[in-house]
Amino acid sequence: DGGITQSPKYLFRKEGQNVTLSCEQNLNHDAMYWYRQDPGQGLRLIYYSQIVNDFQKGDIAEGYSVSREKKESFPLTVTSAQKNPTAFYLCASKTWGGNQPQHFGDGTRLSIL
Amino acid sequence: AQSVTQLGSHVSVSEGALVLLRCNYSSSVPPYLFWYVQYPNQGLQLLLKYTTGATLVKGINGFEAEFKKSETSFHLTKPSAHMSDAAEYFCAVTDKAAGNKLTFGGGTRVLVKP
Repeated sequence: DGGITQSPKYLFRKEGQNVTLSCEQNLNHDAMYWYRQDPGQGLRLIYYSQIVNDFQKGDIAEGYSVSREKKESFPLTVTSAQKNPTAFYLCASKTWGGNQPQHFGDGTRLSIL
Repeated sequence: AQSVTQLGSHVSVSEGALVLLRCNYSSSVPPYLFWYVQYPNQGLQLLLKYTTGATLVKGINGFEAEFKKSETSFHLTKPSAHMSDAAEYFCAVTDKAAGNKLTFGGGTRVLVKP
């Protein structure tokens, strides 16, 4: 079945440590996205990529980095510069066209030890 | 800039009663509108979408929404709530000017009472 796989489901980070969240899709979608979700809040866009080897900052990119070396993969690194990284992170992808919906993975919950 | 307002962060309904979730948007050009549902510790699942054409849109799980341009609204309804409808619901908007970026509302959590 086609879909989006995020791993791991739960992740723990020590202070001062970088961690990388994985997102892989086999839907042959061009665009991929990373969102952050905090309790009681909507989704906020961190980074997005519309094509391989290109990506753009979203609304809350500070303290995060991404790469898009392959169409299927869009990993997110939460750096030590992100002072409040505890959140639920969602990856999404979509095919080209503004009227097409985004498809979401099941998320990664990141916590600070 | 686009924005989405969902009225009511929490809604409580009795099983079998009408579910009504409100969504108002702002967009300078014709919008594309989406409703998503999220169950605990899961990603978002598409319920329905409006792009063009018929303004009453039917989705999965018995939900439907009506696009009203004059009111800039896209309210979500279900005639009879089921216990399995307990979840969080998000309205989202995009348009040709925004390209492939979605703007989400803050979400509405639905509680279904037996």
